[in-house]
Amino acid sequence: DAGVTQSPTHLIKTRGQQVTLRCSPKSGHDTVSWYQQALGQGPQFIFQYYEEEERQRGNFPDRFSGHQFPNYSSELNVNALLLGDSALYLCASSLTSTYEQYFGPGTRLTVT
Amino acid sequence: TQLLEQSPQFLSIQEGENLTVYCNSSSVFSSLQWYRQEPGEGPVLLVTVVTGGEVKKLKRLTFQFGDARKDSSLHITAAQPGDTGLYLCAGNKVGTNAGKSTFGDGTTLTVKP
Repeated sequence: DAGVTQSPTHLIKTRGQQVTLRCSPKSGHDTVSWYQQALGQGPQFIFQYYEEEERQRGNFPDRFSGHQFPNYSSELNVNALLLGDSALYLCASSLTSTYEQYFGPGTRLTVT
Repeated sequence: TQLLEQSPQFLSIQEGENLTVYCNSSSVFSSLQWYRQEPGEGPVLLVTVVTGGEVKKLKRLTFQFGDARKDSSLHITAAQPGDTGLYLCAGNKVGTNAGKSTFGDGTTLTVKP
């Protein structure tokens, strides 16, 4: 049974560019949440997708957007990248009615 | 101000010692989770607690949720080098949907052989 997978593993982008990160949830899970983890800090909630719609959102600007597909996989898009967007981006999947979240290995984004 | 304050921020101990790390808040949580994270990897779920006063044991790890559901502790008995890592607590505030977790900044534990 595959766990949560994310791609790519690492990514280097230039300030002002756009990036798309991908996530496949654990088998049987229907909810995907995205988090940003800066160095030395805990993960910060970006948003959550359920039934292909954004259900909850954290304190992140509109430059951060996402999508969930019918097979429950999800994408995170970030436009107009800033140096401060450099971080580990984590995807977590869960069943909508439960508290337990299972995280993927993350995508390390570096903005230069 | 962090919603979840974890202490200590760093802890370095010798193999075989016991330790306790704390997760405190002024807010009430419907549930609280503990995760362990290794460098460059995603957090791995250790336990979820949902009832005030609840105690859960996982081998040498003991987790406690405060009676008022505002705080939690993680106690490790006879620590081993394999316990080294970042320990994160995360909670779901009352009134928020499951899956929107608020994380503390973690306790970095180093266990020396």
